[in-house]
Amino acid sequence: DTAVSQTPKYLVTQMGNDKSIKCEQNLGHDTMYWYKQDSKKFLKIMFSYNNKELIINETVPNRFSPKSPDKAHLNLHINSLELGDSAVYFCASSQGERYEQYFGPGTRLTVT
Amino acid sequence: GNSVTQMEGPVTLSEEAFLTINCTYTATGYPSLFWYVQYPGEGLQLLLKATKADDKGSNKGFEATYRKETTSFHLEKGSVQVSDSAVYFCALFYTGGFKTIFGAGTRLFVKA
Repeated sequence: DTAVSQTPKYLVTQMGNDKSIKCEQNLGHDTMYWYKQDSKKFLKIMFSYNNKELIINETVPNRFSPKSPDKAHLNLHINSLELGDSAVYFCASSQGERYEQYFGPGTRLTVT
Repeated sequence: GNSVTQMEGPVTLSEEAFLTINCTYTATGYPSLFWYVQYPGEGLQLLLKATKADDKGSNKGFEATYRKETTSFHLEKGSVQVSDSAVYFCALFYTGGFKTIFGAGTRLFVKA
Protein backbone atom coordinates (compact mmCIF):
# COMPACT_ATOMS: atom_id res chain seq x y z
CA ASP A 1 0.00 0.00 0.00
CA THR A 2 1.38 3.39 -1.00
CA ALA A 3 1.92 5.65 2.02
CA VAL A 4 1.49 9.02 0.28
CA SER A 5 -0.15 9.01 -3.13
CA GLN A 6 -0.76 11.80 -5.60
CA THR A 7 -2.87 12.04 -8.71
CA PRO A 8 -2.25 12.66 -11.47
CA LYS A 9 1.45 11.85 -11.96
CA TYR A 10 1.65 13.99 -15.08
CA LEU A 11 -0.46 16.99 -15.98
CA VAL A 12 -0.09 18.88 -19.26
CA THR A 13 -2.36 21.85 -19.75
CA GLN A 14 -2.59 25.23 -21.41
CA MET A 15 -2.14 28.65 -19.91
CA GLY A 16 -5.25 30.04 -18.31
CA ASN A 17 -6.74 26.68 -17.40
CA ASP A 18 -7.70 25.57 -13.88
CA LYS A 19 -6.42 22.26 -12.54
CA SER A 20 -6.33 20.24 -9.33
CA ILE A 21 -3.86 17.80 -7.83
CA LYS A 22 -5.01 15.34 -5.19
CA CYS A 23 -3.03 13.88 -2.31
CA GLU A 24 -3.88 11.13 0.13
CA GLN A 25 -1.86 9.60 2.97
CA ASN A 26 -2.67 6.37 4.80
CA LEU A 27 -0.08 6.79 7.56
CA GLY A 28 -2.43 8.35 10.09
CA HIS A 29 -0.33 11.54 10.14
CA ASP A 30 -1.78 14.82 11.34
CA THR A 31 0.29 17.20 9.20
CA MET A 32 0.39 17.51 5.41
CA TYR A 33 2.35 19.74 3.05
CA TRP A 34 2.61 20.93 -0.52
CA TYR A 35 6.02 21.66 -2.04
CA LYS A 36 7.07 22.99 -5.42
CA GLN A 37 10.33 21.72 -6.95
CA ASP A 38 11.82 23.63 -9.84
CA SER A 39 14.01 22.34 -12.64
CA LYS A 40 17.15 22.86 -10.52
CA LYS A 41 15.67 20.64 -7.81
CA PHE A 42 15.17 23.53 -5.40
CA LEU A 43 12.35 22.63 -3.02
CA LYS A 44 10.01 25.34 -1.79
CA ILE A 45 7.29 24.83 0.78
CA MET A 46 3.93 26.24 -0.24
CA PHE A 47 1.42 25.17 2.39
CA SER A 48 1.17 23.11 5.53
CA TYR A 49 -1.91 21.80 7.30
CA ASN A 50 -2.13 20.37 10.78
CA ASN A 51 -5.36 18.56 11.66
CA LYS A 52 -7.06 20.20 8.68
CA GLU A 53 -5.99 23.66 9.81
CA LEU A 54 -3.70 25.83 7.67
CA ILE A 55 -0.48 26.57 9.61
CA ILE A 56 1.95 27.59 6.88
CA ASN A 57 1.04 29.71 3.91
CA GLU A 58 4.22 30.87 2.23
CA THR A 59 4.35 33.63 -0.32
CA VAL A 60 2.36 31.86 -2.98
CA PRO A 61 0.07 33.54 -5.54
CA ASN A 62 -3.54 33.35 -4.44
CA ARG A 63 -4.26 31.42 -7.63
CA PHE A 64 -3.10 28.44 -5.56
CA SER A 65 -5.67 27.22 -3.05
CA PRO A 66 -5.20 24.18 -0.84
CA LYS A 67 -8.12 22.26 0.61
CA SER A 68 -8.05 19.65 3.33
CA PRO A 69 -11.38 17.82 3.54
CA ASP A 70 -10.01 15.53 6.26
CA LYS A 71 -6.68 14.68 7.90
CA ALA A 72 -5.81 12.12 5.23
CA HIS A 73 -6.31 14.36 2.21
CA LEU A 74 -4.79 17.61 1.00
CA ASN A 75 -5.67 18.82 -2.46
CA LEU A 76 -4.19 21.69 -4.44
CA HIS A 77 -6.25 23.73 -6.86
CA ILE A 78 -4.58 26.12 -9.26
CA ASN A 79 -6.49 28.79 -11.16
CA SER A 80 -5.43 30.58 -14.34
CA LEU A 81 -2.29 28.54 -14.86
CA GLU A 82 0.83 30.35 -16.03
CA LEU A 83 4.01 29.13 -17.73
CA GLY A 84 5.96 29.70 -14.52
CA ASP A 85 3.78 27.21 -12.68
CA SER A 86 5.48 24.38 -14.59
CA ALA A 87 7.28 22.31 -11.96
CA VAL A 88 7.01 19.10 -9.97
CA TYR A 89 4.62 19.39 -7.04
CA PHE A 90 5.13 17.13 -4.04
CA CYS A 91 2.74 16.31 -1.28
CA ALA A 92 4.18 15.14 2.04
CA SER A 93 2.96 14.18 5.49
CA SER A 94 4.39 13.84 8.99
CA GLN A 95 3.23 13.14 12.51
CA GLY A 96 3.73 16.63 13.86
CA GLU A 97 5.82 19.32 12.22
CA ARG A 98 9.12 18.37 13.85
CA TYR A 99 9.36 14.82 12.60
CA GLU A 100 10.46 13.31 9.33
CA GLN A 101 8.28 13.83 6.32
CA TYR A 102 7.03 11.20 3.92
CA PHE A 103 6.79 12.36 0.34
CA GLY A 104 4.50 11.36 -2.47
CA PRO A 105 5.88 10.50 -5.93
CA GLY A 106 5.23 13.98 -7.29
CA THR A 107 3.04 15.49 -9.99
CA ARG A 108 4.86 16.93 -12.99
CA LEU A 109 2.86 19.92 -14.20
CA THR A 110 3.64 21.32 -17.63
CA VAL A 111 1.90 24.49 -18.74
CA THR A 112 2.10 25.25 -22.46
CA GLY B 1 17.47 33.78 9.98
CA ASN B 2 17.45 30.00 9.91
CA SER B 3 19.03 28.40 6.86
CA VAL B 4 20.80 25.37 5.45
CA THR B 5 23.79 25.54 3.10
CA GLN B 6 24.96 22.53 1.13
CA MET B 7 27.94 22.09 -1.12
CA GLU B 8 27.14 22.72 -4.72
CA GLY B 9 27.00 19.81 -7.07
CA PRO B 10 27.17 17.87 -9.10
CA VAL B 11 29.54 15.56 -7.31
CA THR B 12 30.93 12.84 -9.58
CA LEU B 13 32.67 9.82 -8.07
CA SER B 14 33.81 6.41 -9.17
CA GLU B 15 32.27 3.35 -7.59
CA GLU B 16 33.79 2.49 -4.17
CA ALA B 17 35.06 6.04 -3.64
CA PHE B 18 34.56 7.89 -0.35
CA LEU B 19 31.73 10.39 -0.27
CA THR B 20 31.39 13.60 1.72
CA ILE B 21 28.61 16.09 1.13
CA ASN B 22 29.00 19.16 3.33
CA CYS B 23 26.06 20.75 5.11
CA THR B 24 26.14 23.68 7.51
CA TYR B 25 23.23 25.38 9.16
CA THR B 26 22.18 28.54 10.91
CA ALA B 27 19.48 28.19 13.51
CA THR B 28 18.46 29.41 16.92
CA GLY B 29 18.08 26.87 19.65
CA TYR B 30 18.52 23.17 18.99
CA PRO B 31 17.13 22.14 15.63
CA SER B 32 16.62 18.58 14.46
CA LEU B 33 18.72 17.73 11.40
CA PHE B 34 17.92 15.44 8.49
CA TRP B 35 19.31 14.07 5.26
CA TYR B 36 16.82 13.17 2.57
CA VAL B 37 17.56 11.42 -0.73
CA GLN B 38 15.68 11.79 -4.01
CA TYR B 39 16.21 9.10 -6.63
CA PRO B 40 15.41 9.95 -10.26
CA GLY B 41 11.69 10.33 -10.86
CA GLU B 42 10.75 9.83 -7.21
CA GLY B 43 9.83 11.85 -4.16
CA LEU B 44 12.22 12.55 -1.30
CA GLN B 45 12.73 9.90 1.35
CA LEU B 46 14.39 10.18 4.72
CA LEU B 47 17.93 8.84 4.74
CA LEU B 48 18.93 9.61 8.33
CA LYS B 49 18.37 12.10 11.13
CA ALA B 50 19.82 13.44 14.39
CA THR B 51 17.92 15.33 17.03
CA LYS B 52 20.61 16.58 19.42
CA ALA B 53 24.25 17.57 19.50
CA ASP B 54 26.77 14.74 18.99
CA ASP B 55 24.06 12.35 17.78
CA LYS B 56 25.11 10.25 14.80
CA GLY B 57 22.47 9.26 12.28
CA SER B 58 23.17 6.27 10.06
CA ASN B 59 21.41 4.25 7.38
CA LYS B 60 22.42 2.16 4.34
CA GLY B 61 26.10 2.86 4.99
CA PHE B 62 25.59 6.62 5.18
CA GLU B 63 26.45 8.55 8.34
CA ALA B 64 26.20 12.11 9.60
CA THR B 65 27.08 13.58 13.01
CA TYR B 66 25.31 16.59 14.53
CA ARG B 67 28.15 19.01 15.35
CA LYS B 68 26.86 22.00 17.26
CA GLU B 69 30.27 23.62 17.66
CA THR B 70 30.73 23.82 13.89
CA THR B 71 26.97 23.93 13.06
CA SER B 72 27.48 21.11 10.58
CA PHE B 73 25.87 17.83 9.59
CA HIS B 74 28.09 16.44 6.83
CA LEU B 75 26.98 13.29 5.03
CA GLU B 76 29.57 10.53 4.52
CA LYS B 77 29.74 7.08 3.00
CA GLY B 78 32.83 4.93 2.88
CA SER B 79 32.20 3.25 -0.48
CA VAL B 80 29.58 4.54 -2.90
CA GLN B 81 27.72 2.44 -5.44
CA VAL B 82 26.17 3.35 -8.78
CA SER B 83 22.77 2.95 -7.11
CA ASP B 84 23.61 5.85 -4.77
CA SER B 85 23.31 8.28 -7.68
CA ALA B 86 20.62 10.70 -6.55
CA VAL B 87 20.03 14.18 -5.19
CA TYR B 88 20.74 14.61 -1.48
CA PHE B 89 19.03 17.25 0.65
CA CYS B 90 20.13 18.45 4.06
CA ALA B 91 17.28 19.84 6.18
CA LEU B 92 16.57 21.25 9.61
CA PHE B 93 13.51 21.68 11.75
CA TYR B 94 13.35 24.42 14.33
CA THR B 95 10.44 24.67 16.71
CA GLY B 96 9.96 28.42 16.41
CA GLY B 97 9.16 28.28 12.72
CA PHE B 98 7.07 25.11 12.76
CA LYS B 99 8.54 24.08 9.45
CA THR B 100 11.40 22.15 7.93
CA ILE B 101 13.95 24.10 5.90
CA PHE B 102 15.63 22.25 3.05
CA GLY B 103 19.00 22.96 1.50
CA ALA B 104 19.33 23.40 -2.25
CA GLY B 105 20.22 19.75 -2.83
CA THR B 106 23.46 18.16 -4.06
CA ARG B 107 23.38 15.88 -7.08
CA LEU B 108 25.65 12.83 -6.88
CA PHE B 109 26.71 10.82 -9.91
CA VAL B 110 28.53 7.54 -9.33
CA LYS B 111 30.31 5.97 -12.32
CA ALA B 112 30.89 2.24 -12.67
